[in-house]
Amino acid sequence: EAQVTQNPRYLITVTGKKLTVTCSQNMNHEYMSWYRQDPGLGLRQIYYSMNVEVTDKGDVPEGYKVSRKEKRNFPLILESPSPNQTSLYFCASSLSETGTGGYTFGSGTRLTVV
Amino acid sequence: GQNIDQPTEMTATEGAIVQINCTYQTSGFNGLFWYQQHAGEAPTFLSYNVLDGLEEKGRFSSFLSRSKGYSYLLLKELQMKDSASYLCAVKDSNYQLIWGAGTKLIIKP
Repeated sequence: EAQVTQNPRYLITVTGKKLTVTCSQNMNHEYMSWYRQDPGLGLRQIYYSMNVEVTDKGDVPEGYKVSRKEKRNFPLILESPSPNQTSLYFCASSLSETGTGGYTFGSGTRLTVV
Repeated sequence: GQNIDQPTEMTATEGAIVQINCTYQTSGFNGLFWYQQHAGEAPTFLSYNVLDGLEEKGRFSSFLSRSKGYSYLLLKELQMKDSASYLCAVKDSNYQLIWGAGTKLIIKP
């Protein structure tokens, strides 16, 4: 089944404890992206990647890191999480950034930083 | 700046028709998407418009007017399962998706 797999679904952590949210897609998509979603706001892009070893900042990159060493994986790293990073996170992929097809989203990761 | 506007919330009756509007101001235009998102779940793709006009897909239709910076999503024969948020998103000149905050649609029996 074609899908984007995110883990974990839920995570509660403490301020300053490094964490990684994994994202993997099995559709051979070139383009991958991370979003955060907060009440009353639209999806806001954190980082995106147009291909292996190519990553770029989105609208809200502060406090996050990503890597794209393989086409299928695009992990999101929070080196020192803070409470303002409590949010619902989505990984998404598409065939290409210019394609007409929509994005396929992962199931989401609800992160709470206390 | 870039902006996508949608109503925050709408209410409709089961079996009826509802139109959700989206207006946008972006630097360039390379397509407009509609997504459905049930509470706590991932957005799922509904439609894509890049040319003016109406695209019909079953009970859902999406309309685009590029000159007016306007789109709408039309849902017919509403069912209770259509209760969800509907997200409008525009691809700008850099092919980045700009998202609206979403319209929460409440369906009443």
